[in-house]
Amino acid sequence: DAGITQSPRHKVTETGTPVTLRCHQTENHRYMYWYRQDPGHGLRLIHYSYGVKDTDKGEVSDGYSVSRSKTEDFLLTLESATSSQTSVYFCAISEDISYEQYFGPGTRLTVT
Amino acid sequence: LAKTTQPISMDSYEGQEVNITCSHNNIATNDYITWYQQFPSQGPRFIIQGYKTKVTNEVASLFIPADRKSSTLSLPRVSLSDTAVYYCLVEDTGTASKLTFGTGTRLQVTL
Repeated sequence: DAGITQSPRHKVTETGTPVTLRCHQTENHRYMYWYRQDPGHGLRLIHYSYGVKDTDKGEVSDGYSVSRSKTEDFLLTLESATSSQTSVYFCAISEDISYEQYFGPGTRLTVT
Repeated sequence: LAKTTQPISMDSYEGQEVNITCSHNNIATNDYITWYQQFPSQGPRFIIQGYKTKVTNEVASLFIPADRKSSTLSLPRVSLSDTAVYYCLVEDTGTASKLTFGTGTRLQVTL
């Protein structure tokens, strides 16, 4: 399996609090992605990165920000969590665009 | 934006060949077609990718007609362990911002 980890794996937080999820890779892949998965919606891209400090928005970026200060780490931040952001969040990596993506184990986030 | 449409669910018996078709009418010239498999409580896993005609690997085949408006994932002789959700993804080689997984096809394999 590709060396990709996510932390935390589970988190419960209250509405209005900031939350940061971390994705860490040991593969030195250029691309990193954050998705959310909700029943009835499949996986939807939030943000992605194509290099250190190079990021761009995906389909559902509102309410989320990201940062990538090192090749191996990609952080997803919810500045002020809302109940609609309760979801399972997956990080993925790929060597280049259109190459196969390797997914992390996911983070289950509950916002109460 | 190339949207994909797949059947919501399929059932099969163990040992049969399963074909899952994905419709992507608005596919663009630069788009690749990729299929992923997802088990409960896990992230998706790459199965196969193609651009045109036929691609085969050790686990599946991918058939893409000349107009590329659809594609078919073929799983030979499925087993119980192939019970999963299968996603078709159309990827624009120019940008990752348009990556969208559909709702997938839930395959149930029984004895």
